[in-house]
Amino acid sequence: EVVMTQSPATLSVSPGERATLSCRASQSVSSSLAWFQQKPGQAPRLLIYGASTRATGIPARFSGSGSGTDFTLTISSLQSEDFAVYYCQQYNNWPQFTFGGGTKVEIK
Amino acid sequence: EVQLVESGGGLVQPGGSLRLSCVVSGFTFSSCAMSWVRQAPGKGLEWVSSISGSGGSPYYADSVKGRFTISRDNSKNTLYLQMNNLRVDDTAVYSCAKGAFADFYLDYWGQGTLVTVSS
Repeated sequence: EVVMTQSPATLSVSPGERATLSCRASQSVSSSLAWFQQKPGQAPRLLIYGASTRATGIPARFSGSGSGTDFTLTISSLQSEDFAVYYCQQYNNWPQFTFGGGTKVEIK
Repeated sequence: EVQLVESGGGLVQPGGSLRLSCVVSGFTFSSCAMSWVRQAPGKGLEWVSSISGSGGSPYYADSVKGRFTISRDNSKNTLYLQMNNLRVDDTAVYSCAKGAFADFYLDYWGQGTLVTVSS
């Protein structure tokens, strides 16, 4: 099983600041990495797939980078609606998807 | 607009059974693999099961293999998850998720249905 590790568990950021979230895979997943945003009581929303491609309708302030085992999600200027939990997920080993434990982005 | 709506959750005793359904709209159901993902209270996301667009290839997490069965009815645009011999640690919100066309990532999710296994 590919283990996905996200850091930090919680990130405190002020609105307008930049947020950088990390995700590490226990073995290479190539570029088969997605990022999701989840708000309380809501379904996860796809932000990024292929490690760096924004999904339809996702604002340009969200960007993804990395390949192999190390990945980053950057939110360039946090808006109030961006405070949520973010999950990375590998799909290189389809269909045995594995998810990271999540990073909660909270208001500082 | 893509929509996925789950139903069938509820309270069940250990050893009991439940059948979850996921009705979809807004895309060609038979062209997309579908998955079930669960989230235990206060925990992260765990993949449960996936099935190909034709329904011929089911896959399961080790934690549910032999107890859960995924299926689909492409004529009804509906995905199912039959859960037998339920355990307390199966308690979670179960969500269905759509596989991207001609790719393997999950692009749309339902809100989920809560399954509580308790005596």
